[in-house]
Amino acid sequence: GAGVSQSPSNKVTEKGKDVELRCDPISGHTALYWYRQSLGQGLEFLIYFQGNSAPDKSGLPSDRFSAERTGGSVSTLTIQRTQQEDSAVYLCASSLARQGRDNEQFFGPGTRLTVL
Amino acid sequence: ILNVEQSPQSLHVQEGDSTNFTCSFPSSNFYALHWYRWETAKSPEALFVMTLNGDEKKKGRISATLNTKEGYSYLYIKGSQPEDSATYLCAPLSSARQLTFGSGTQLTVLP
Repeated sequence: GAGVSQSPSNKVTEKGKDVELRCDPISGHTALYWYRQSLGQGLEFLIYFQGNSAPDKSGLPSDRFSAERTGGSVSTLTIQRTQQEDSAVYLCASSLARQGRDNEQFFGPGTRLTVL
Repeated sequence: ILNVEQSPQSLHVQEGDSTNFTCSFPSSNFYALHWYRWETAKSPEALFVMTLNGDEKKKGRISATLNTKEGYSYLYIKGSQPEDSATYLCAPLSSARQLTFGSGTQLTVLP
């Protein structure tokens, strides 16, 4: 079975440009998460989607960051007017969202974003 | 956002040695604790999800314990092998279903 996939795997862009990062979660997983890891830092939560509920955007670092999830499946993370500090590995994860607490998250391979 | 601390930050051991790391987290409003293993150039992979105080879970040579009252978890690796080299991340889960990751323990097992 297919795991979580992300595209592109690498993205180099110029400061000020917009970028879109894509995540395809595991089929049937209703929960989807975006994280990023900046150089020398730990994994930082960005945003969480659960089914048709309003997303938890509490981790987005600025209003230049936005994300959507269409049809409860594919998600796109958009960064507008990129800055050099946006350079990081952006990871997507998905999980089943049963009522229990023990749902592990399955991570994609990440997109490495470099802003010149 | 929870305050999560992992120690040590990095660790070098010889093949065959046993080792352990610590994850500390707020004990109030505990919901669950995840452990992930992240090898270089790969995706983080779930090791354990622990929910009950006193939980002990095992997967091969790796095991973990959980103390929710005092807010810590230990991860043990018995007889370390070079393929165990990775960063080990712990992450408590809040009731809002949000994981807060620690900065990890980077393990290098020398052959």
